[in-house]
Amino acid sequence: EDQVTQSPEALRLQEGESSSLNCSYTVSGLRGLFWYRQDPGKGPEFLFTLYSAGEEKEKERLKATLTKKESFLHITAPKPEDSATYLCAVRTSGNTPLVFGKGTRLSVIA
Amino acid sequence: DAGVTQSPTHLIKTRGQQVTLRCSPKSGHDTVSWYQQALGQGPQFIFQYYEEEERQRGNFPDRFSGHQFPNYSSELNVNALLLGDSALYLCASSPGSNQPQHFGDGTRLSIL
Repeated sequence: EDQVTQSPEALRLQEGESSSLNCSYTVSGLRGLFWYRQDPGKGPEFLFTLYSAGEEKEKERLKATLTKKESFLHITAPKPEDSATYLCAVRTSGNTPLVFGKGTRLSVIA
Repeated sequence: DAGVTQSPTHLIKTRGQQVTLRCSPKSGHDTVSWYQQALGQGPQFIFQYYEEEERQRGNFPDRFSGHQFPNYSSELNVNALLLGDSALYLCASSPGSNQPQHFGDGTRLSIL
């Protein structure tokens, strides 16, 4: 069974304090790893797709990386507006549904 | 360009009732998926529609059913509501195989 585990469950950072969120996965064959951001009361907002080990994507203060077993979402010099839940999801073939982790709740304090 | 839109935003029902939730996909997207998200959990896949047919289904009972219309919009129906059906119901659309799914803001369903 495909599994996605995110850690930590919650993370509290001071503004400007860089850190990383982890997403480890156990799947039969990875066809894509997706990162989403979800604000309270809203739907997940698409951030990145990674397809192969070694791939990296960047957007503003966020950088996502992928290995054969896990992905990291690095947050550089975070701001309070980066506070949200970050969700990781995997797809194992074609247009199969996404399998999500439980997310990491990030709080950035000014 | 409108993104994925869902209606209603909130709904309160009682046990045993039935409910219909609606979704309009992002322009140019032909595949619609529905997810259930309980508080503090990640979204769980219910089913996916493409070309007006249910293509894949997650581990949800037959009380959950759906439909896709020729304009790609979709409905999720839940019969015989249980307290445990209280959740945020998310609709996601994509333009085809292995493309990122884009989500609406969901319908918050509360069962009393």
